[in-house]
Amino acid sequence: SQQGEEDPQALSIQEGENATMNCSYKTSINNLQWYRQNSGRGLVHLILIRSNEREKHSGRLRVTLDTSKKSSSLLITASRAADTASYFCATDAMNTGFQKLVFGTGTRLLVSP
Amino acid sequence: DSGVTQTPKHLITATGQRVTLRCSPRSGDLSVYWYQQSLDQGLQFLIQYYNGEERAKGNILERFSAQQFPDLHSELNLSSLELGDSALYFCASSVRGGDPTDTQYFGPGTRLTVL
Repeated sequence: SQQGEEDPQALSIQEGENATMNCSYKTSINNLQWYRQNSGRGLVHLILIRSNEREKHSGRLRVTLDTSKKSSSLLITASRAADTASYFCATDAMNTGFQKLVFGTGTRLLVSP
Repeated sequence: DSGVTQTPKHLITATGQRVTLRCSPRSGDLSVYWYQQSLDQGLQFLIQYYNGEERAKGNILERFSAQQFPDLHSELNLSSLELGDSALYFCASSVRGGDPTDTQYFGPGTRLTVL
């Protein structure tokens, strides 16, 4: 079963615009990670935010985490056609003694030239 | 390129058959994870191995089994295949596996089609 629910399911924007994706999860976590998946290919790790962090940046990516609301958002600024992909959040539940990632349902992003 | 390799890329087989998927982790990574991605179930964790030993189990069917060998490569065996087993199977690896800040690096996946 999936812990994360992502919103929106699909997002279509023009190049240069910003894209925001949201993720909600159910249980307490150690960290939350975002991955990108190009169609039918492997997942690429984008960024990890720890449970005691509120915001993190990496290039054009900005991730926020609100543990009180059990939610996270991924902002991609100045989007490019190459950003077209599915984006997944993944949570790592606390106190499990091992890293078991639970993935969300994903947001499909389409960036048009 | 993540450094994780998976073979084969595609596999087409019939119901009732058995297949083996292979994964080689990144150099230096001790942990291997297997995931299944299907349209109806999304991306699901199946099983994790660390340095040859099973570390964690997820939604893995009894018809499925895996192992990690001394050279750290891993194999996922799927038997008595059913139509619903058609999916993308991903392998991922990480340095340790118990550290919550470990990054998992994913392979390109094996697309299994059961006819």
